[in-house]
Amino acid sequence: EVQLVESGGGLVQPGGSLRLSCVASGFTFRNYWMSWVRQAPGKGLEWVADIKPDVSDKFYVDSVKGRFTISRDNAKNSLFLQMNSLTVADTAVYYCARRGLDFQGWIDPWGQGTLVTVSS
Amino acid sequence: DIQMTQSPSTLSASVGDRVTITCRASQNINIWLAWYQQKPGKAPKVLIYKASTLESGVPLRFSGSGSGTDFTLTISSLQPDDFATYYCQQYKSFPITFGQGTRLEIK
Repeated sequence: EVQLVESGGGLVQPGGSLRLSCVASGFTFRNYWMSWVRQAPGKGLEWVADIKPDVSDKFYVDSVKGRFTISRDNAKNSLFLQMNSLTVADTAVYYCARRGLDFQGWIDPWGQGTLVTVSS
Repeated sequence: DIQMTQSPSTLSASVGDRVTITCRASQNINIWLAWYQQKPGKAPKVLIYKASTLESGVPLRFSGSGSGTDFTLTISSLQPDDFATYYCQQYKSFPITFGQGTRLEIK
């Protein structure tokens, strides 16, 4: 069974940092594009970042460029999101997600999500 | 960036109804479109990918159509389990973008 399990969410003050982790199982992690997608409370879905299987390319939504860094450890089947200079607008449930074997892949599956709350 | 516009934002319907949700892309995305269903407090689940391919295990009452800029998700006969929020998503190019969602509620 394909599984994605996130961790690392929590309460952080504006300007602070947080690192999210996602452990994958049930598939050959090193072959897949991986994503982070977030959802602010009561709002829609927003793609945040993508990383290529071989780590050679990373893509970000404009609102997090320069503040967030996506990374992966293929030996440990793990995906990460380092979030710096957090603002209230970054408050959301963050989902780890598997995309496809190339960059034109849909999302399947999604992790259960981890809540990040930015508040003083 | 490719903008995805869904309509309607909210849809009230009854069990057994046939419903259609539309999604329009601001530029040609060929067939690089997926539809997701999300229930409160849960992660989204893919229903349709490549505009019209039904994900394994998804009931046959769900169908998708379209290409280029105009797409539809149709539920042929609503079941109680179908009341949820639906999102379209384009994955032709970065940034990946979602529609704003359609909340399907019980009339």
